[in-house]
Amino acid sequence: QKEVEQNSGPLSVPEGAIASLNCTYSDRGSQSFFWYRQYSGKSPELIMSIYSNGDKEDGRFTAQLNKASQYVSLLIRDSQPSDSATYLCAVAFFGNEKLTFGTGTRLTIIP
Amino acid sequence: DAGITQSPRHKVTETGTPVTLRCHQTENHRYMYWYRQDPGHGLRLIHYSYGVKDTDKGEVSDGYSVSRSKTEDFLLTLESATSSQTSVYFCATHDRTAQETQYFGPGTRLLVL
Repeated sequence: QKEVEQNSGPLSVPEGAIASLNCTYSDRGSQSFFWYRQYSGKSPELIMSIYSNGDKEDGRFTAQLNKASQYVSLLIRDSQPSDSATYLCAVAFFGNEKLTFGTGTRLTIIP
Repeated sequence: DAGITQSPRHKVTETGTPVTLRCHQTENHRYMYWYRQDPGHGLRLIHYSYGVKDTDKGEVSDGYSVSRSKTEDFLLTLESATSSQTSVYFCATHDRTAQETQYFGPGTRLLVL
């Protein structure tokens, strides 16, 4: 059984600070890693994907992957109230056909 | 957006009634998926399709069936709805030729009384 674990939160972060979201996964054969953002009552939307060890930056978002530790994280710099949402970590084995999702971390940015 | 629509967007039905949810995409993506999302469980895969008439089960397939007669349409049927199937259902599509991952439809809220 492939599992993806996330702290459900809620995680509260002051506006302008760095929000750090973490995810661990059980399958060492996992190849692809994704972060989705989901606003309340809306569908998930992809914000970051990462496939190799190390950091990947996109604007205020940085994804970090450590396959040896089976750990992937998402950093949000200069957090804004609009970043308040649930963040879902998703992991795929080779081929990306099926994703396994974590239960999500609810993030609240405090003005 | 990947041009994914779901219908209906909201539905209330009674236990024992058959229900069909429709997912329609305009992107010609090969792969299509049905998920349900429940508090504390996250997104769980019900069924998926890797081509017309080619489908397979996900982790929570009991009580559900699917059909895909055209590339653009993927139907999810609850043969006899139960209260435990009250959930939000999301359809997603994936284009394997691109390295990016799945794109989600707007969701269907289903209440089984």
